[in-house]
Amino acid sequence: DIQLTQSPSFLSASVGDRVTITCRASQVISSYLAWYQQKPGKAPELLIYGATTLISGVPSRFSGSRSGTEFTLTISSLQPEDFATYYCQHLNSYPRTFGQGTRVEIK
Amino acid sequence: QVQLQQWGAGLLKPSETLSLSCAVYGGSFSGYYWSWIRQPPGEGLEWIGEITESGVTNYNPSHKSRLTISVDASKSQFSLKLSSVTAADTAVYYCARGYYDRSGYYYMDVWGNGTTVIVSS
Repeated sequence: DIQLTQSPSFLSASVGDRVTITCRASQVISSYLAWYQQKPGKAPELLIYGATTLISGVPSRFSGSRSGTEFTLTISSLQPEDFATYYCQHLNSYPRTFGQGTRVEIK
Repeated sequence: QVQLQQWGAGLLKPSETLSLSCAVYGGSFSGYYWSWIRQPPGEGLEWIGEITESGVTNYNPSHKSRLTISVDASKSQFSLKLSSVTAADTAVYYCARGYYDRSGYYYMDVWGNGTTVIVSS
């Protein structure tokens, strides 16, 4: 199985901060990676797929990038509604595993 | 606006079979992969498996021996059965829609609200 390792597991940031979350795959997965945002008690919501393609309606402060097997989710200027847990998921093969999540909290 | 409505028994005893269903409203049922994902309390997400309209399934090997995902395309519904449950199966279970775009990239863009399943004696 392909393993995804997210870092950090937890980060504390302030409104307006630039935030970067990394997801490293244990094997080459091309750009078959998605990012989700989950708020407490809610279902995850898709932000980005294909490593870099922003879903319609998602604010442009969110962006994704890829370098080899390392993927990055960047929030350019953190907003109050962005405090949540973020998950990456590979979609290259089965099982379609998720990273362990990164919780973003208010400093 | 596509919506997924899910339902099923929320309290089970060990060794019983978990049974959940998910109905698709407001959109096409064909051309998609219909998935189940779960999230134990305070933990991350785990992909369980998926099924197509025609009944082609892909399962997480971790659960394959206990897992059955089925589809009723005439009702735009799909279901999850997980046998011989234990406390480790306690989780919020989500259904979701998966799709391959023109570039071949897959994503899960519509999710149900989740069903809490507790396994306790």
